[in-house]
Amino acid sequence: AQRVTQPEKLLSVFKGAPVELKCNYSYSGSPELFWYVQYSRQRLQLLLRHISRESIKGFTADLNKGETSFHLKKPFAQEEDSAMYYCALLTGFQKLVFGTGTRLLVSP
Amino acid sequence: NAGVTQTPKFQVLKTGQSMTLQCAQDMNHNSMYWYRQDPGMGLRLIYYSASEGTTDKGEVPNGYNVSRLNKREFSLRLESAAPSQTSVYFCAIRTSGGRGGETQYFGPGTRLLVL
Repeated sequence: AQRVTQPEKLLSVFKGAPVELKCNYSYSGSPELFWYVQYSRQRLQLLLRHISRESIKGFTADLNKGETSFHLKKPFAQEEDSAMYYCALLTGFQKLVFGTGTRLLVSP
Repeated sequence: NAGVTQTPKFQVLKTGQSMTLQCAQDMNHNSMYWYRQDPGMGLRLIYYSASEGTTDKGEVPNGYNVSRLNKREFSLRLESAAPSQTSVYFCAIRTSGGRGGETQYFGPGTRLLVL
């Protein structure tokens, strides 16, 4: 079965603290994974894709096939990082399967 | 270059009413998608269209119909709205190519409230 699990509904941290948003997946093929971000009442925007191995806005994510994880990390959270974050898996039919999302709240 | 546009932005319906949500893209991509976003459930695929004139069901198609009459537009129709269809609806297109591979680009969303 194709599934993406984000175990935390809400993650609350203080500004400057490290952040890790968890994502685990279940997929029989070679996974292609993404992180999307949604700021308040805006459209979803692509944040990261594992295939690019890039760092955007200080965020990084590493695919760990052994643990079937793709956790999103940032060493020092900023208030403007407060948003909804979705992990997504691209399936063989060019469809995205999304996790339920984690709301990140960064307090001053 | 507007990318992906959706109309209306917000709509209130009474149970049993019908309406069509419109999505248009100016990025000349073949694949288009309709998702609904609900608290605690993430985004779920309703229908998708791999190309003009073709459509396929996604995870939650019941109560919806779609139409892809041309490459640019992909509409979602609720024939008889129900309160369970209260949601935020997002249209997306599949973008592909380049160093980063493929992904999806989303429209701004339509908020629908069914009373």
